[in-house]
Amino acid sequence: TQLLEQSPQFLSIQEGENLTVYCNSSSVFSSLQWYRQEPGEGPVLLVTVVTGGEVKKLKRLTFQFGDARKDSSLHITAAQPGDTGLYLCAGTGGTSYGKLTFGQGTILTVHP
Amino acid sequence: DAGITQSPRHKVTETGTPVTLRCHQTENHRYMYWYRQDPGHGLRLIHYSYGVKDTDKGEVSDGYSVSRSKTEDFLLTLESATSSQTSVYFCAISTGFTDTQYFGPGTRLTVL
Repeated sequence: TQLLEQSPQFLSIQEGENLTVYCNSSSVFSSLQWYRQEPGEGPVLLVTVVTGGEVKKLKRLTFQFGDARKDSSLHITAAQPGDTGLYLCAGTGGTSYGKLTFGQGTILTVHP
Repeated sequence: DAGITQSPRHKVTETGTPVTLRCHQTENHRYMYWYRQDPGHGLRLIHYSYGVKDTDKGEVSDGYSVSRSKTEDFLLTLESATSSQTSVYFCAISTGFTDTQYFGPGTRLTVL
């Protein structure tokens, strides 16, 4: 079974601070996805990374896929209260072809 | 937003009773999935469907069955609910097995 370890599990910061969330595995994934989920709603896809070393930017969010395609990170610059939510990484490929394997999630709280 | 609805949105039931959750889509997507979400576990795949009457097990399928008699509907049944099945259940859809999955709003199930 492929596992994705996400860290930290909880993150509480002040508005304007920067943060990084990590997603690590011992397995290789063909793609890595990042989702954001708000209370009472389903996850919403933020980005998909598919190439080792790939970096994608979405406004203040920067996503990176490791060279070996075993890890990924999400960096938020100048966090805002609207960034508060649950962030999930999910991988597909390898022994779990086609099926998404999710990390445990990171609960981010940004205080005004 | 992808046209996915789940019903009911909330349900409280007693141990040993049967429960059926419904997922309905208006996107005509071929693939449909059922996940459960529990603290510290992210989302875990229960069952998925790759077409009408075509279904397969996910990583946590014990105690659950599914049916898909129409493209738009995917039912998840707990034949005899147990307290360990208390969770939030999400349905997702995708056009292809490795394509982006779009999630419904979730059903919160409590088994007393």
